[in-house]
Amino acid sequence: GDSVTQMEGPVTLSEEAFLTINCTYTATGYPSLFWYVQYPGEGLQLLLKATKADDKGSNKGFEATYRKETTSFHLEKGSVQVSDSAVYFCALTKIYNQGGKLIFGQGTELSVKP
Amino acid sequence: GAVVSQHPSRVICKSGTSVKIECRSLDFQATTMFWYRQFPKQSLMLMATSNEGSKATYEQGVEKDKFLINHASLTLSTLTVTSAHPEDSSFYICSARSQGQNLRLTEAFFGQGTRLTVV
Repeated sequence: GDSVTQMEGPVTLSEEAFLTINCTYTATGYPSLFWYVQYPGEGLQLLLKATKADDKGSNKGFEATYRKETTSFHLEKGSVQVSDSAVYFCALTKIYNQGGKLIFGQGTELSVKP
Repeated sequence: GAVVSQHPSRVICKSGTSVKIECRSLDFQATTMFWYRQFPKQSLMLMATSNEGSKATYEQGVEKDKFLINHASLTLSTLTVTSAHPEDSSFYICSARSQGQNLRLTEAFFGQGTRLTVV
Protein backbone atom coordinates (compact mmCIF):
# COMPACT_ATOMS: atom_id res chain seq x y z
CA GLY A 1 0.00 0.00 0.00
CA ASP A 2 0.89 3.66 -0.10
CA SER A 3 3.31 4.89 2.52
CA VAL A 4 5.52 7.77 3.58
CA THR A 5 8.91 7.47 5.26
CA GLN A 6 10.68 10.34 7.00
CA MET A 7 14.09 10.62 8.52
CA GLU A 8 14.10 9.89 12.20
CA GLY A 9 14.39 12.60 14.74
CA PRO A 10 14.90 14.39 16.88
CA VAL A 11 16.94 16.81 14.83
CA THR A 12 18.77 19.44 16.85
CA LEU A 13 20.22 22.49 15.11
CA SER A 14 21.65 25.82 16.07
CA GLU A 15 19.87 28.97 15.00
CA GLU A 16 20.62 29.98 11.40
CA ALA A 17 21.73 26.47 10.45
CA PHE A 18 20.57 24.79 7.25
CA LEU A 19 17.75 22.29 7.60
CA THR A 20 16.95 19.21 5.56
CA ILE A 21 14.32 16.69 6.56
CA ASN A 22 14.15 13.77 4.17
CA CYS A 23 10.87 12.32 3.00
CA THR A 24 10.30 9.53 0.52
CA TYR A 25 7.06 7.98 -0.53
CA THR A 26 5.62 4.87 -2.10
CA ALA A 27 2.44 5.31 -4.05
CA THR A 28 0.79 4.32 -7.27
CA GLY A 29 -0.58 6.97 -9.54
CA TYR A 30 -0.04 10.66 -8.95
CA PRO A 31 -0.30 11.65 -5.31
CA SER A 32 -0.24 15.17 -3.97
CA LEU A 33 2.44 15.76 -1.37
CA PHE A 34 2.36 17.88 1.76
CA TRP A 35 4.41 19.05 4.68
CA TYR A 36 2.54 19.77 7.89
CA VAL A 37 3.92 21.34 11.06
CA GLN A 38 2.70 20.67 14.58
CA TYR A 39 3.66 22.98 17.41
CA PRO A 40 3.49 21.60 20.96
CA GLY A 41 -0.04 20.87 22.10
CA GLU A 42 -1.60 21.97 18.85
CA GLY A 43 -3.12 20.43 15.76
CA LEU A 44 -1.47 20.39 12.37
CA GLN A 45 -0.93 23.32 10.07
CA LEU A 46 -0.25 22.98 6.40
CA LEU A 47 3.23 24.26 5.69
CA LEU A 48 3.47 23.66 1.95
CA LYS A 49 2.29 21.37 -0.78
CA ALA A 50 2.99 20.19 -4.31
CA THR A 51 0.48 18.51 -6.55
CA LYS A 52 2.55 17.29 -9.49
CA ALA A 53 6.06 16.25 -10.41
CA ASP A 54 8.69 19.01 -10.35
CA ASP A 55 6.39 21.37 -8.46
CA LYS A 56 8.11 23.29 -5.70
CA GLY A 57 6.11 24.17 -2.62
CA SER A 58 7.34 27.03 -0.49
CA ASN A 59 6.23 28.93 2.58
CA LYS A 60 7.89 30.84 5.43
CA GLY A 61 11.34 30.12 4.02
CA PHE A 62 10.70 26.38 3.75
CA GLU A 63 10.84 24.64 0.40
CA ALA A 64 10.25 21.15 -0.96
CA THR A 65 10.34 19.85 -4.52
CA TYR A 66 8.21 16.96 -5.76
CA ARG A 67 10.71 14.54 -7.33
CA LYS A 68 8.93 11.68 -9.04
CA GLU A 69 12.13 10.03 -10.25
CA THR A 70 13.39 9.61 -6.70
CA THR A 71 9.91 9.55 -5.07
CA SER A 72 11.04 12.22 -2.66
CA PHE A 73 9.78 15.46 -1.16
CA HIS A 74 12.58 16.67 1.10
CA LEU A 75 11.95 19.73 3.27
CA GLU A 76 14.62 22.42 3.35
CA LYS A 77 15.20 25.78 4.97
CA GLY A 78 18.28 27.87 4.59
CA SER A 79 18.35 29.41 8.07
CA VAL A 80 16.26 28.03 10.88
CA GLN A 81 14.98 29.98 13.84
CA VAL A 82 14.11 28.95 17.38
CA SER A 83 10.46 29.45 16.48
CA ASP A 84 10.75 26.68 13.89
CA SER A 85 11.02 24.11 16.68
CA ALA A 86 8.14 21.73 16.09
CA VAL A 87 7.28 18.33 14.68
CA TYR A 88 7.16 18.13 10.90
CA PHE A 89 5.04 15.58 9.05
CA CYS A 90 5.33 14.60 5.43
CA ALA A 91 2.11 13.29 3.91
CA LEU A 92 0.51 12.24 0.67
CA THR A 93 -3.00 12.01 -0.60
CA LYS A 94 -4.67 10.67 -3.67
CA ILE A 95 -7.86 12.58 -4.11
CA TYR A 96 -9.40 10.23 -6.60
CA ASN A 97 -8.71 7.16 -4.53
CA GLN A 98 -9.13 6.31 -0.88
CA GLY A 99 -11.51 9.22 -0.37
CA GLY A 100 -8.67 11.71 -0.28
CA LYS A 101 -7.35 10.62 3.09
CA LEU A 102 -3.89 11.69 4.13
CA ILE A 103 -1.16 9.16 4.76
CA PHE A 104 1.45 10.51 7.13
CA GLY A 105 5.06 9.78 7.78
CA GLN A 106 6.13 9.20 11.33
CA GLY A 107 7.05 12.82 11.97
CA THR A 108 10.40 14.44 12.62
CA GLU A 109 10.93 16.54 15.71
CA LEU A 110 13.07 19.62 15.14
CA SER A 111 14.67 21.47 18.01
CA VAL A 112 16.47 24.74 17.27
CA LYS A 113 18.79 26.10 19.94
CA PRO A 114 19.69 29.80 20.24
CA GLY B 1 -6.79 29.13 4.95
CA ALA B 2 -10.08 27.69 6.08
CA VAL B 3 -10.81 27.27 9.78
CA VAL B 4 -11.66 24.04 11.54
CA SER B 5 -12.62 24.30 15.18
CA GLN B 6 -12.37 21.33 17.50
CA HIS B 7 -13.90 21.27 20.96
CA PRO B 8 -13.01 20.65 23.70
CA SER B 9 -9.25 21.10 23.56
CA ARG B 10 -8.78 19.10 26.74
CA VAL B 11 -11.05 16.72 28.59
CA ILE B 12 -10.62 14.45 31.57
CA CYS B 13 -13.20 11.77 32.17
CA LYS B 14 -13.72 8.77 34.39
CA SER B 15 -13.41 5.21 33.14
CA GLY B 16 -16.68 3.90 31.83
CA THR B 17 -18.11 7.24 30.80
CA SER B 18 -18.55 8.58 27.27
CA VAL B 19 -16.96 11.66 25.81
CA LYS B 20 -18.04 13.61 22.74
CA ILE B 21 -15.62 15.64 20.65
CA GLU B 22 -16.92 18.13 18.10
CA CYS B 23 -15.29 19.21 14.87
CA ARG B 24 -16.71 22.18 13.01
CA SER B 25 -15.75 23.76 9.72
CA LEU B 26 -16.38 27.45 10.29
CA ASP B 27 -16.15 28.98 6.85
CA PHE B 28 -16.60 26.18 4.36
CA GLN B 29 -18.72 23.11 3.78
CA ALA B 30 -16.88 19.96 4.69
CA THR B 31 -18.05 17.12 2.49
CA THR B 32 -15.54 14.81 4.14
CA MET B 33 -14.13 14.75 7.63
CA PHE B 34 -11.37 12.58 9.00
CA TRP B 35 -10.62 11.56 12.56
CA TYR B 36 -7.07 10.79 13.61
CA ARG B 37 -5.51 9.56 16.79
CA GLN B 38 -2.00 10.46 17.82
CA PHE B 39 0.01 8.75 20.54
CA PRO B 40 2.88 10.64 22.19
CA LYS B 41 5.78 11.20 19.81
CA GLN B 42 4.10 9.18 17.09
CA SER B 43 2.43 9.94 13.81
CA LEU B 44 -1.24 10.36 13.17
CA MET B 45 -3.26 7.22 12.73
CA LEU B 46 -6.39 7.58 10.68
CA MET B 47 -9.36 6.17 12.56
CA ALA B 48 -12.22 6.83 10.19
CA THR B 49 -13.48 8.85 7.26
CA SER B 50 -16.95 10.31 7.27
CA ASN B 51 -18.95 11.83 4.46
CA GLU B 52 -21.88 14.06 5.25
CA GLY B 53 -25.10 12.12 5.58
CA SER B 54 -23.59 8.66 5.34
CA LYS B 55 -22.00 6.16 7.67
CA ALA B 56 -18.36 6.53 8.54
CA THR B 57 -15.75 4.23 7.04
CA TYR B 58 -13.49 2.89 9.74
CA GLU B 59 -9.89 1.82 9.31
CA GLN B 60 -8.92 -1.71 10.09
CA GLY B 61 -8.59 -2.36 13.80
CA VAL B 62 -10.74 0.61 14.89
CA GLU B 63 -13.81 -0.42 16.86
CA LYS B 64 -16.80 1.30 15.34
CA ASP B 65 -18.97 0.61 18.37
CA LYS B 66 -16.46 2.26 20.63
CA PHE B 67 -15.67 5.27 18.48
CA LEU B 68 -18.99 6.57 17.21
CA ILE B 69 -18.77 9.10 14.42
CA ASN B 70 -21.61 11.26 13.25
CA HIS B 71 -21.43 13.66 10.32
CA ALA B 72 -24.95 14.98 10.24
CA SER B 73 -24.26 18.28 8.52
CA LEU B 74 -21.72 19.84 6.17
CA THR B 75 -20.17 21.79 9.03
CA LEU B 76 -20.19 19.40 11.96
CA SER B 77 -18.82 15.97 12.76
CA THR B 78 -18.66 14.39 16.20
CA LEU B 79 -16.57 11.60 17.64
CA THR B 80 -17.92 9.90 20.74
CA VAL B 81 -15.62 7.68 22.73
CA THR B 82 -17.95 5.27 24.50
CA SER B 83 -17.19 3.48 27.75
CA ALA B 84 -13.79 5.12 27.87
CA HIS B 85 -10.79 3.31 29.31
CA PRO B 86 -7.37 4.67 30.29
CA GLU B 87 -5.88 3.19 27.12
CA ASP B 88 -8.16 5.50 25.13
CA SER B 89 -6.20 8.44 26.48
CA SER B 90 -4.70 10.12 23.46
CA PHE B 91 -4.66 13.21 21.26
CA TYR B 92 -7.54 13.16 18.79
CA ILE B 93 -7.42 15.38 15.72
CA CYS B 94 -10.06 15.98 13.10
CA SER B 95 -9.60 17.33 9.63
CA ALA B 96 -12.10 18.54 7.10
CA ARG B 97 -12.02 18.71 3.35
CA SER B 98 -14.33 20.25 0.81
CA GLN B 99 -14.77 18.96 -2.68
CA GLY B 100 -13.73 21.67 -5.09
CA GLN B 101 -13.88 21.77 -8.84
CA ASN B 102 -10.28 20.68 -9.13
CA LEU B 103 -10.05 17.80 -6.72
CA ARG B 104 -6.27 17.63 -6.87
CA LEU B 105 -6.01 21.07 -5.29
CA THR B 106 -8.38 20.38 -2.42
CA GLU B 107 -6.55 20.27 0.88
CA ALA B 108 -7.55 19.14 4.31
CA PHE B 109 -7.68 21.58 7.21
CA PHE B 110 -7.04 20.41 10.72
CA GLY B 111 -8.62 21.17 14.04
CA GLN B 112 -6.40 22.04 16.97
CA GLY B 113 -6.88 18.63 18.56
CA THR B 114 -8.40 17.27 21.74
CA ARG B 115 -6.31 15.77 24.50
CA LEU B 116 -8.37 13.09 26.19
CA THR B 117 -7.30 11.72 29.55
CA VAL B 118 -9.28 8.84 31.03
CA VAL B 119 -8.73 8.30 34.75
